[in-house]
Parts: sequence; C-alpha cells; structure tokens
Amino acid sequence: LAKTTQPISMDSYEGQEVNITCSHNNIATNDYITWYQQFPSQGPRFIIQGYKTKVTNEVASLFIPADRKSSTLSLPRVSLSDTAVYYCLVGDSSSGQNFVFGPGTRLSVLP
Amino acid sequence: DTGVSQNPRHKITKRGQNVTFRCDPISEHNRLYWYRQTLGQGPEFLTYFQNEAQLEKSRLLSDRFSAERPKGSFSTLEIQRTEQGDSAMYLCASHRNTEAFFGQGTRLTVV
Repeated sequence: LAKTTQPISMDSYEGQEVNITCSHNNIATNDYITWYQQFPSQGPRFIIQGYKTKVTNEVASLFIPADRKSSTLSLPRVSLSDTAVYYCLVGDSSSGQNFVFGPGTRLSVLP
Repeated sequence: DTGVSQNPRHKITKRGQNVTFRCDPISEHNRLYWYRQTLGQGPEFLTYFQNEAQLEKSRLLSDRFSAERPKGSFSTLEIQRTEQGDSAMYLCASHRNTEAFFGQGTRLTVV
C-alpha cells in the first residue's frame, strides 16, 4: 500500500506559481500518481494524473522524476479561487484499499 | 458538476436512527466507491462496487453499515443505529480508468 507525504499547509500570493511536492517512496510499478483538489463542503475534483516524466493540462503540470518516488504539482499564477486542499494519491484504483487519500496540503492564496 | 449525484446533501438524525444515502454515478462507469470524510482529514475508503458486485469493504465498515448497488446503477449506503461518531461527510465516486469523479457528498450530523 503506497503511502504519500505532503506538506500540511502552504501559503502563496495571487499570481505566483505554486509547487506542491508529494513523496511516495513505496510506489508500485502499476501505480499512477493523481492529484485532486477539494473545496469546503464539496467532493474532491480531479486535477491531473501521470505515470512518469511530465504531464500538463489546462490547469496544472505534474513533474515526476525517473525514480517516481516523488511528484510535484505545479499551479501557474494562482488566484484566490485556488485556495483549497490538494491531495496526492498513488495507486491504480482497481483496489479501493490501494486508492488512499492522505490529509492533503491546505493551500491558502493571499491577495 | 462531475455528473455524480448524491442525495440528500444534508441529513440530521437522532442517535439510534437509521439513515440511507443515495448515489447516482455516471452511467457508463462501472466502478463505484463510497468514502467517509471527517473534518481536516482526507476521504477514507469504505467500500467499492464493480457493477453490482461489492468487491471490497474497509474494516471501517462496521456491521451497522451496508451498501448496495442493485443492477449496477445507483448505490445506497445505509447506516443502522447511528452513533455520534458516524457524523461525517459521505462521498461517492464513480471511476473511469484511474480517474475518480466525486459527488458533492452527504453531510450527516448525528445528534
């Protein structure tokens, strides 16, 4: 069961780039790395997913080094509305026991 | 809106009463998960269905909890003889490959 470690909280200012790193030393060969965003009183929302190297979509980039023991979610030019909790998950979701949320990183974007 | 619908959004019940929540997943997704989330924590896996078959149950799912997914469509989660410790957000997610689509959850308050 892959476990993840993320910073509990981070602060940033509007317009800055934010990088949140997640450690997952025990990642398995079949595991993907997925990041979710959650606002209060809402369910988590998929942001991005990757297996190796770099993935970019319209909202974020995900950097994964060759050993895959960590990953970094990069949010370009954050705004106040990006204030949320960000979760890093490692697993293949074919098993519920293997699709584990940690406590996440609480990002606060300040004006 | 992810396409996953949960009802009710909020439920207040007296200790000892039974409650039932409903989840309507995205129709073409055959995998459905239930999670429980308490304040300041990430979602915790409860159970998982592949079509109508309940394939996994977490040890968190005591015998007071039961889930069904008749005909592989909507799912229900029932809690019998509720306790104050059952107060939480109950989230449902349907999966497409390794991506989870969450509903907005049902917030249960046991008084």
